[in-house]
Amino acid sequence: DTGVSQNPRHKITKRGQNVTFRCDPISEHNRLYWYRQTLGQGPEFLTYFQNEAQLEKSRLLSDRFSAERPKGSFSTLEIQRTEQGDSAMYLCASSLQGHEAFFGQGTRLTVV
Amino acid sequence: QKEVEQDPGPLSVPEGAIVSLNCTYSNSAFQYFMWYRQYSRKGPELLMYTYSSGNKEDGRFTAQVDKSSKYISLFIRDSQPSDSATYLCAMDYGQNFVFGPGTRLSVLP
Repeated sequence: DTGVSQNPRHKITKRGQNVTFRCDPISEHNRLYWYRQTLGQGPEFLTYFQNEAQLEKSRLLSDRFSAERPKGSFSTLEIQRTEQGDSAMYLCASSLQGHEAFFGQGTRLTVV
Repeated sequence: QKEVEQDPGPLSVPEGAIVSLNCTYSNSAFQYFMWYRQYSRKGPELLMYTYSSGNKEDGRFTAQVDKSSKYISLFIRDSQPSDSATYLCAMDYGQNFVFGPGTRLSVLP
């Protein structure tokens, strides 16, 4: 499978715990995006990387959120001290030079 | 006013109907326009990608862009029950993609 891969697919965590998600983009894609989607809404932009550089972060990305893309390959999104409002689908996408973006299947986070 | 507006539906049509889905936008800097299909609890799947004003056809799908009116459309011909999903429009101005809220479509057998 050469598409965008996200792990885990589902995560249930207790409030206050830290969680980390992983995204493996399509191998030749230099841009990687993180989005968050809640029920009935379109995806909301969180952050994006061009190669290993994080070039833009949304105001939605509070200081509890951090993303990395070491060596310009896979990326991780960490949420510290999770809150119930963090419950959502976290989507990763990749593209080549900002053209068509292809999404993974997402990680569904439930904070209890 | 949101950057991208889209009727959330739900839209119900009989099998075989022609479906028209639309988005309007306010930011004239948007350059690329995409349509995604999203099944429940799945990631968005790219259907169409267009750059210039005009029409682009791919099988049963036709994407139409009118930059002067800031209006884009997706037409689905001979709709099938398997087309039942949420359709998201997305727009790109080089930095990231802005999505509409999605239109939920049901194609009834």
